[in-house]
Amino acid sequence: DTAVSQTPKYLVTQMGNDKSIKCEQNLGHDTMYWYKQDSKKFLKIMFSYNNKELIINETVPNRFSPKSPDKAHLNLHINSLELGDSAVYFCASSSLGYGYEQFFGPGTRLTVL
Amino acid sequence: AQTVTQSQPEMSVQEAETVTLSCTYDTSENNYYLFWYKQPPSRQMILVIRQEAYKQQNATENRFSVNFQKAAKSFSLKISDSQLGDTAMYFCAFTLLNAGNMLTFGGGTRLMVKP
Repeated sequence: DTAVSQTPKYLVTQMGNDKSIKCEQNLGHDTMYWYKQDSKKFLKIMFSYNNKELIINETVPNRFSPKSPDKAHLNLHINSLELGDSAVYFCASSSLGYGYEQFFGPGTRLTVL
Repeated sequence: AQTVTQSQPEMSVQEAETVTLSCTYDTSENNYYLFWYKQPPSRQMILVIRQEAYKQQNATENRFSVNFQKAAKSFSLKISDSQLGDTAMYFCAFTLLNAGNMLTFGGGTRLMVKP
């Protein structure tokens, strides 16, 4: 059983397009996250979200927006894609108070041409 | 703001030997967790080991152990009896026990285990 899944695994698109990456977790966790891993493998938090609060890393452009239809899903929408958005995007989830371990999805490699 | 530093971009070790990866962090807070994550070529992020800051005892998980020095803000990972499957990027990470629970990662250490 896949704990945290993401679709698609690969996404190639043109500059200026709008795209979404979907994330689902079946662990019953109450908090979900999006991280960006750049070409140098550096990982950076983008968002943290539970059903009460969205915390946004202040460096994230407002072209990026998380949308959560329910506790098990946190999708990432990106408007007006730029070349610098090319990266691997990871979704993760955790349950506060249970060791704070975050479980990661397999990542989505986004390439903007 | 919290920062995590991994000073060794790349390391190599012979199979069956022991290797230690370094990590230092900076925070003014007292309650936090530290983690080591492994990222093999498949790119999946896998938790290796976790340390609660309030625990003095160093965490161990089979061949993996940490040396947690809270005063020095140091959190190194020791891998004993290295195996070929240990070849991966290793990331040190930090989280505060507050709203958000976001991980701050170090820049990573690429470990190559040689046969």
